[in-house]
Amino acid sequence: NAGVTQTPKFQVLKTGQSMTLQCAQDMNHNSMYWYRQDPGMGLRLIYYSASEGTTDKGEVPNGYNVSRLNKREFSLRLESAAPSQTSVYFCASRWGGYNEQFFGPGTRLTVL
Amino acid sequence: QQQVKQSPQSLIVQKGGISIINCAYENTAFDYFPWYQQFPGKGPALLIAIRPDVSEKKEGRFTISFNKSAKQFSLHIMDSQPGDSATYFCAARNTGNQFYFGTGTSLTVIP
Repeated sequence: NAGVTQTPKFQVLKTGQSMTLQCAQDMNHNSMYWYRQDPGMGLRLIYYSASEGTTDKGEVPNGYNVSRLNKREFSLRLESAAPSQTSVYFCASRWGGYNEQFFGPGTRLTVL
Repeated sequence: QQQVKQSPQSLIVQKGGISIINCAYENTAFDYFPWYQQFPGKGPALLIAIRPDVSEKKEGRFTISFNKSAKQFSLHIMDSQPGDSATYFCAARNTGNQFYFGTGTSLTVIP
């Protein structure tokens, strides 16, 4: 089992460019999450998907869109990147209930 | 507005000592409180978690103490080891299955 995988690992964008961060899990989990991690801020939830076909906004959704393509995949799109979106992005998944949340290795994004 | 407040920001402990990290929250709808450990360049990994109907949970050298009336919970690492040097995050889950994280504590255990 690969667990939670994220691509790419690193990305540099110019202001205004768009890109999609990919996330996939092979644990048959229902719920998937996108977080951003910034120094001194901890992890903040961007979007959450309870199941295939559903998505909900988290704490910091502005400037992002998501797609729950199927049960395995949950992508995060930046339509017009801004320097404030420079961060490390983590995808996570969990079965539900009180079960553990598993995190991917992260994508380090720099917006110039 | 930070929904989960965590302290201290950094902590230095001698090998064999006790590391204590504290968190506080306001939202009484939170129903699950996990702690995560993160090493540089890696994603967070679940360390230990507690539900609010329990006042203490112990797993090996790691213990969560939970005070529901004070809306506070803490992580105690007994017999701290250099391999425990990492960043620790507390978190809380609301009834909508969304997680709110503290700002993290960088722990250094000196040999």
